[in-house]
Amino acid sequence: DIQMTQSPSSLSASVGDRVTITCRASQSINTYLNWYQQKPGKAPKLLIYAASNLQSGVPSRFSGSGSGTDFTLTISSLQPEDFATYYCQQSFSTSRTFGQGTKVEVK
Amino acid sequence: QVQLQESGPGLVKPSETLSLTCNVSGGSVSRGSYYWSWIRQPPGKGLEWIGYVYYSGTTNYNPSLKSRVTISADRSKNQFSLKLTSVTAADTAVYFCARDAWGYAYQFDYWGQGTLVTVSS
Repeated sequence: DIQMTQSPSSLSASVGDRVTITCRASQSINTYLNWYQQKPGKAPKLLIYAASNLQSGVPSRFSGSGSGTDFTLTISSLQPEDFATYYCQQSFSTSRTFGQGTKVEVK
Repeated sequence: QVQLQESGPGLVKPSETLSLTCNVSGGSVSRGSYYWSWIRQPPGKGLEWIGYVYYSGTTNYNPSLKSRVTISADRSKNQFSLKLTSVTAADTAVYFCARDAWGYAYQFDYWGQGTLVTVSS
């Protein structure tokens, strides 16, 4: 299995802050990397697919970058509705795997 | 608009079989280019992919669960199902069904709301 490791596991930030979350794969996955946002009691929501493509309807303050083994999700200016847990996920392998999640909390 | 809805018992006894169904509307499980997946999330923990079924019937499972999992599709009802045998308390989780679609990569673009399954006697 391809292991996905996110950092940090949690972070505290304020509205308006620039937030960066990283995801590292245990082997190269090209750009087969997706990002999801999950709020308590809800299903995850797709934000970014194929490393850098913004899903339809997702605000442009979200962006993704990276290829190979190292990837980044950036929120350019954190909004109140962005406090949530974020997951990366690889689809390079037919056996899909997720990162452990990064919880973005209010500072 | 594609919608997915999970259904099934919310309580299963240890050693028994967990059975869930995902009803798909606004899309077809008979159409190629999509994998129909199950994903679970234990309370307070992260996401774990369980496996998928393709329209052709081809399946692929998480190696850690492979010996206990069966996922199948019913084209006539436009739904797909999960069976997990010999459950224990460690299988207590919210179970999501999701569509795994191609767009420069495969990604889970539509999800069901999730259903909590508790394993307890």
